[in-house]
This record gives sequence, structure tokens and C-alpha cells, in this order.
Amino acid sequence: TQLLEQSPQFLSIQEGENLTVYCNSSSVFSSLQWYRQEPGEGPVLLVTVVTGGEVKKLKRLTFQFGDARKDSSLHITAAQPGDTGLYLCAGDSGTYKYIFGTGTRLKVLA
Amino acid sequence: GAVVSQHPSWVICKSGTSVKIECRSLDFQATTMFWYRQFPKQSLMLMATSNEGSKATYEQGVEKDKFLINHASLTLSTLTVTSAHPEDSSFYICSAKIRDGYTFGSGTRLTVV
Repeated sequence: TQLLEQSPQFLSIQEGENLTVYCNSSSVFSSLQWYRQEPGEGPVLLVTVVTGGEVKKLKRLTFQFGDARKDSSLHITAAQPGDTGLYLCAGDSGTYKYIFGTGTRLKVLA
Repeated sequence: GAVVSQHPSWVICKSGTSVKIECRSLDFQATTMFWYRQFPKQSLMLMATSNEGSKATYEQGVEKDKFLINHASLTLSTLTVTSAHPEDSSFYICSAKIRDGYTFGSGTRLTVV
């Protein structure tokens, strides 16, 4: 059972557009991580959100943790082709298992 | 920082043979290691959690007799795919919990022909 559902599953946008990726769960997470993964490589950590309602910014990327710590979002401003990749949220729901979201594949067209 | 070295990075094997994938923690001790499988264009699916010195905990639907996990030391966990079949072809990644989060191996691309 996948506890972390991401939407959208796929996204193809033009360079310069904004986008938001959502990560939702019915479970409470003590923290959530966001990763970006390139084909054939391991995931690369972008950010960790810990506190409910927390907002973190990483250049053009803005991450938010829901107040109830059950959901998170990733917003990219003025997307660039270099942002293309698989975006994954992940977390430990308290069962000592580290699980990943269903993933969002982003393609930014020049 | 904490590094997990995963080998091999890719392997091609014949159907019916076994393949061993190793993950070593280079500068820390990994009490717990997670093993994931990733099919093309999909997310990472947790296969099992291995704990040093004890039996691995497998996720529902993962055959423990087919995917043998050994975590005999604090720096080494191995995943052996036994009697591999083409449907086992996938990208396998290990991960270890560290103080500030999790660190990942670079993955193993397994192709069974």
C-alpha cells in the first residue's frame, strides 16, 4: 500500500511556467523529504520539512508542509529545462519504514 | 558526509542464475538498511528493511526466498536475487538511515536475459 500519493503523475510545461506538485497522505509524518532523481541514479535530497505549516525555499523551489503534517507541496517558479526529472516525496510514517511517494515526472520544454 | 557504496552499478545475468548486490556504509555504521526496487518511470518501492544481526522484514508481496537479504555487519548489507527471471529486471537501490536523514546508494541496474 502506497501511503504517499503524488499529483500530478506527469507534467509537461514550457520554460518559464510555474508548477506545483502535491504529496498527500492519510498518515501523519514526523518529517517529509523531497528528492529529485535522474535516470539511472539515486535520488538527491532537495529539502526536509519538519514542522507543520513550515515553508522552505531553495532558489526557485518552495516547499510547504501541511499544518497536520499529512501533506506537502513543491512549487517551482519559472521552470527551466534543468528542472526536468522525477520528483519524489518520502517519509517515515512512524512504522520505521522509509517510503516514497508515487512520483511526479516533470518535463520542462525549452 | 555519510556515503553508501553500492555495487555493481549494473549487471546482466542469464535467467535462472543468482545475482548479489552489495551496499557498504563507508564512514558510518548502518544499523538499518532499506532496499528498494524501481521500475522504469515509476517511484521507488520498498522491498524490505534489513537490520544488522536479525532477519529482514519484507513488504507484502515481496518473496523473501527469492530476494535474500543479509545484514551480517554494521557496514554491509547484501541483496541476492535468486533464480532471476526477466521480470526481475529493475533498478535496485539501498538506503541507510543517518543522523540527519537518509543516504542512498547509486543503484544497481539488473537486466535478466
